Amino acid sequence: KQEVTQIPAALSVPEGENLVLNCSFTDSAIYNLQWFRQDPGKGLTSLLLIQSSQREQTSGRLNASLDKSSGRSTLYIAASQPGDSATYLCAVGDDYKLSFGAGTTVTVRA
Amino acid sequence: NAGVTQTPKFQVLKTGQSMTLQCAQDMNHNSMYWYRQDPGMGLRLIYYSASEGTTDKGEVPNGYNVSRLNKREFSLRLESAAPSQTSVYFCASSDGAGRSRETQYFGPGTRLLVL
Repeated sequence: KQEVTQIPAALSVPEGENLVLNCSFTDSAIYNLQWFRQDPGKGLTSLLLIQSSQREQTSGRLNASLDKSSGRSTLYIAASQPGDSATYLCAVGDDYKLSFGAGTTVTVRA
Repeated sequence: NAGVTQTPKFQVLKTGQSMTLQCAQDMNHNSMYWYRQDPGMGLRLIYYSASEGTTDKGEVPNGYNVSRLNKREFSLRLESAAPSQTSVYFCASSDGAGRSRETQYFGPGTRLLVL
């Protein structure tokens, strides 16, 4: 059974600092890894999807890397802003389903 | 373009009552999913539908039933609600044939409290 872990559970940084969010998974036989953002009381918004054959994916200030062999992914958010405050979840895709981590709640202080 | 919509947004039930959570998507996606999210845990898959007319169990299907009414709609039914089913329920959809390779698009969620 795939286990997905996100550490730390919460993170607080001053505005302008780069954010580094970690995700680890136990089974390297994955199709892809996805990063989502969740605002309080809202649904999930997809940020980046990395296919298993890729090493990284970039969108604007966001960059996600994937190391299948070590079972790790990292989401980098450059020059954080208060609007980046949210919970970030990673999810590993294996065949028909996504297995989610519990998320890292980020607070960016102005 | 509404994306994925869910009704109701919030519901309070008494133990033993039944209810149906509704989900609809307007993106012509083949696959639809129901998840539940509990505090301190990731989302867990309850049921999914790879295409119209098919449904399959996910990780935590006990106590739930689903219906893929047509390509747009996928409902989740609680026949006899229990306090352990207090949770936030999310519906999602994706293109493709029910595999996790595509981006999933999520609805805003239904918050369910069972007393």
